[in-house]
Amino acid sequence: DSGVTQTPKHLITATGQRVTLRCSPRSGDLSVYWYQQSLDQGLQFLIQYYNGEERAKGNILERFSAQQFPDLHSELNLSSLELGDSALYFCASSEVGTSGRDTQYFGPGTRLTVL
Amino acid sequence: DAKTTQPNSMESNEEEPVHLPCNHSTISGTDYIHWYRQLPSQGPEYVIHGLTSNVNNRMASLAIAEDRKSSTLILHRATLRDAAVYYCIRTSLYGGSQGNLIFGKGTKLSVKP
Repeated sequence: DSGVTQTPKHLITATGQRVTLRCSPRSGDLSVYWYQQSLDQGLQFLIQYYNGEERAKGNILERFSAQQFPDLHSELNLSSLELGDSALYFCASSEVGTSGRDTQYFGPGTRLTVL
Repeated sequence: DAKTTQPNSMESNEEEPVHLPCNHSTISGTDYIHWYRQLPSQGPEYVIHGLTSNVNNRMASLAIAEDRKSSTLILHRATLRDAAVYYCIRTSLYGGSQGNLIFGKGTKLSVKP
């Protein structure tokens, strides 16, 4: 158990809908990261938040947005969903997250299925 | 661009050592080498990381070549639980977009009983 929790575990929705994925980092970790894992694209970094502020952006679509709240939990919002958004979404956290030296701890993931 | 090269797959026998290679020929002096693994149906899991010298922890050892252009993850005695995809990742000391984990395809390790 990494100490990172994600809810829900599974999510099934229809095209065009909007969903919110939630992540609680390990106690004391200031950074939260979001990743998408699909069969054809592998594991892709989406976005990082550090202490409430966006720190780094990866291959995140404009239809997707994220935020980190004062209690450090984070939410990933996916809107206008398409079939291709079906994937595993992982959240990770790290103690600081301002250096490539940092270790990231991953949650169990949310499996999103768009029908 | 993962900036590292790993074999697609490797096989090992249970209780034997496993050496997983990784090439990172364009590595800079301030890039760390991280190894993560992903067991089936789970999130990635940190294994080990290093900068210049060899590193050991309870899970594995990391041997970094003197010129730092390659490294090897060593599992001293493979168990069935070690069957996973192993990712070798470079990250910049200075963080930012280059400090994040850029996953390649990794090496799928199979362990035979």
